[in-house]
Amino acid sequence: DTAVSQTPKYLVTQMGNDKSIKCEQNLGHDTMYWYKQDSKKFLKIMFSYNNKELIINETVPNRFSPKSPDKAHLNLHINSLELGDSAVYFCASSLRGGLGNEQFFGPGTRLTVL
Amino acid sequence: AQSVTQLGSHVSVSEGALVLLRCNYSSSVPPYLFWYVQYPNQGLQLLLKYTSAATLVKGINGFEAEFKKSETSFHLTKPSAHMSDAAEYFCAVSDEGAQKLVFGQGTRLTINP
Repeated sequence: DTAVSQTPKYLVTQMGNDKSIKCEQNLGHDTMYWYKQDSKKFLKIMFSYNNKELIINETVPNRFSPKSPDKAHLNLHINSLELGDSAVYFCASSLRGGLGNEQFFGPGTRLTVL
Repeated sequence: AQSVTQLGSHVSVSEGALVLLRCNYSSSVPPYLFWYVQYPNQGLQLLLKYTSAATLVKGINGFEAEFKKSETSFHLTKPSAHMSDAAEYFCAVSDEGAQKLVFGQGTRLTINP
């Protein structure tokens, strides 16, 4: 069974379009995250949700809007896509209060904006 | 604020040789430290973690890391490299109250036959 899954795995789109990436975890975790990995492999957190409540928003443009319909899902919607949004987006989950905040990562979604 | 520095963006070793990937951290509170591995076109997989128990931590695939508070380091080692170890390795720091991981810039490990 896949612990953290993301769809789609690849996303190619034109500048200005709106797109969504979906994430689901079946680990029973209560906290979910979105990370962005740029072309130099640098990983940076974007958002974190705990029990559907936004707890981290790391100065991400308003064009990015996360939505958490329940504890097991965290989706990322991106409006008016720009070239600089091209990256790999990783979803992760953890159990708040769990030892060391160990996070489990999804396989990533490679977004290419043309 | 917490931060992580990985010395060397690219490390190359021969198959069978010692692997040493360096990680130094900065944290004003007792840290939790992690090493993750990323194989090409895949997500991140946890190799090992330090959570204030034993300072020498053993992980999967024969890797281990030692927490040295005096040196603010958490270097990753493996006695004998295997071709399958070729990947990107990330060191990360968190703490008890944190809601996020702060990653280093990654080290690409290449294994020469």
